[in-house]
Amino acid sequence: AQSVTQPDIHITVSEGASLELRCNYSYGATPYLFWYVQSPGQGLQLLLKYFSGDTLVQGIKGFEAEFKRSQSSFNLRKPSVHWSDAAEYFCAVRGAGGTSYGKLTFGQGTILTVHP
Amino acid sequence: DAGVIQSPRHEVTEMGQEVTLRCKPISGHDYLFWYRQTMMRGLELLIYFNNNVPIDDSGMPEDRFSAKMPNASFSTLKIQPSEPRDSAVYFCASSFRTTGELFFGEGSRLTVL
Repeated sequence: AQSVTQPDIHITVSEGASLELRCNYSYGATPYLFWYVQSPGQGLQLLLKYFSGDTLVQGIKGFEAEFKRSQSSFNLRKPSVHWSDAAEYFCAVRGAGGTSYGKLTFGQGTILTVHP
Repeated sequence: DAGVIQSPRHEVTEMGQEVTLRCKPISGHDYLFWYRQTMMRGLELLIYFNNNVPIDDSGMPEDRFSAKMPNASFSTLKIQPSEPRDSAVYFCASSFRTTGELFFGEGSRLTVL
């Protein structure tokens, strides 16, 4: 069964500081990986996605993520955080084959607080 | 182009009542998902459809929950009878193929008293 673990429930950073949100996945083959962001009271918005190819993917709002197969990780990074980045971030894995084909499973989420 | 449309946005009902949540996916999308979000359990996948056919309903908590997709442009999630522990935000999302981005609706906030 596919699963996603986000070890950090809550992270606090200062505005302008760098950010890394951790994500580990479990899947039997190469998965499709996603990062979504959710602002309070809103739906989820896609930040970036990885299907294949270059393991460093660029997304919107200056975010990037790196796929590391050996570590089953897909960590999200941003070099300089803005106050408007405060939100909840979700990593997700989508089945690319077999019985879980098409199934999208989310991690528990990481709440990001940004201090001025 | 309109996004995923969910109704109602807010629903307050009493325990034991039937609740029906509705979703209109983006035109042309062939996957539709229903998720439930709570503080305690996060985002849980309840069920998903491909070409109107339910593929995996293992996340549906109990027989009180049912979902249908009678055509490519409409899906319902029904809870009968509702219980206070069903209080949550229910999201519908759709995508085109497995490689497509999931587009989420704004959610239906359900409160069962």
